[in-house]
Amino acid sequence: AQSVTQPDIHITVSEGASLELRCNYSYGATPYLFWYVQSPGQGLQLLLKYFSGDTLVQGIKGFEAEFKRSQSSFNLRKPSVHWSDAAEYFCAVGVIGYSTLTFGKGTMLLVSP
Amino acid sequence: GAVVSQHPSRVICKSGTSVKIECRSLDFQATTMFWYRQFPKQSLMLMATSNEGSKATYEQGVEKDKFLINHASLTLSTLTVTSAHPEDSSFYICSATPGQGVLPDTQYFGPGTRLTVL
Repeated sequence: AQSVTQPDIHITVSEGASLELRCNYSYGATPYLFWYVQSPGQGLQLLLKYFSGDTLVQGIKGFEAEFKRSQSSFNLRKPSVHWSDAAEYFCAVGVIGYSTLTFGKGTMLLVSP
Repeated sequence: GAVVSQHPSRVICKSGTSVKIECRSLDFQATTMFWYRQFPKQSLMLMATSNEGSKATYEQGVEKDKFLINHASLTLSTLTVTSAHPEDSSFYICSATPGQGVLPDTQYFGPGTRLTVL
């Protein structure tokens, strides 16, 4: 069965600094990978997804992620963080043949002034 | 596009009563809908997957008689928590996808429903 690991429970970044949130997956074949963001008390919003093709994917709000098969990773990056980016970020993996996604435990991003 | 709504956003009920939560896809037809439960500061726990016109598939450990799911149309799924108890208090989130279940299509999430059982 597939699994997702987000090693960092919390991350604090200064406003304007760069950000990288880590995501590692475990799955034998090519996975379908997603990053979602959740603001407090809200549902999840899709930031970006990787299905195939270019391993560097661009998303909304200035986020990007890079699929690295050799490292089984799909890390989320943003060059300059804004205070409004403070939220919880979830990485998820899907596998062909199944409609369900497996979510990581999430990383809470705190942005300091 | 791809907007999913949930109603109500917040509900408080007495122990022993039943609560119905609606999930609607507003601008697309949702072949598949999902119901999740989220505890404070935790990830999403998939409760069940429902396909329009067929019975929901429940995850292991989820009581199907307690959490009734109906996916009567391509834009509406409902979750009914029957005989609710305080331990059922949680944040319930639905998601929907136009996918056919062959590929793991993008899931679009509703804003969630906060259920508090007194």
